Amino acid sequence: GQQLNQSPQSMFIQEGEDVSMNCTSSSIFNTWLWYKQDPGEGPVLLIALYKAGELTSNGRLTAQFGITRKDSFLNISASIPSDVGIYFCAGRPAGGGSNYKLTFGKGTLLTVNP
Amino acid sequence: NAGVTQTPKFQVLKTGQSMTLQCAQDMNHNSMYWYRQDPGMGLRLIYYSASEGTTDKGEVPNGYNVSRLNKREFSLRLESAAPSQTSVYFCAGSWEGATDTQYFGPGTRLTVL
Repeated sequence: GQQLNQSPQSMFIQEGEDVSMNCTSSSIFNTWLWYKQDPGEGPVLLIALYKAGELTSNGRLTAQFGITRKDSFLNISASIPSDVGIYFCAGRPAGGGSNYKLTFGKGTLLTVNP
Repeated sequence: NAGVTQTPKFQVLKTGQSMTLQCAQDMNHNSMYWYRQDPGMGLRLIYYSASEGTTDKGEVPNGYNVSRLNKREFSLRLESAAPSQTSVYFCAGSWEGATDTQYFGPGTRLTVL
């Protein structure tokens, strides 16, 4: 099946720093999504991207749909302690298949030191 | 609104025992999903129900069965639990025409001894 390579696997940063993470695939995706999972909770959708080159913001979060359609990036500006959690990329591959099946990356664990 | 709810929150089983994980949503979702999450892994789709009355296999369906009881409820059954099924199980739902936007429940943490 499709695989998404998400990096980095983990990040330890100081409060106030900016954060960047990315997700890549060997094949083309039609949709890119970014979810956040707090400890002991289910994932929550942060940003959805539907067009190559699209740049979308949600507060301090900004995500981009890569021009090649094989990658996506998530940036968090001025991190705060509540940004702690696991960030997952997810996508819907191009080329047919079920509209109901998302492929998830393995996640980036973010730790913010106050 | 409660959103997507799952019961139980925690469960410990012995190998060979059976159990059903329950999921309910009050968000009028057409589609519902069951995922499992293992350490260092992303979410993997077990089964999904595109609409009431239909179910389809996902990426890892072996050892599981599902029932879409009605529009609100989607259950996951383990007939004969195995240690490899130790995982955190998430139910999710989405509205018609918006299957990318999935709303997840809080999860069920299952340990099979």
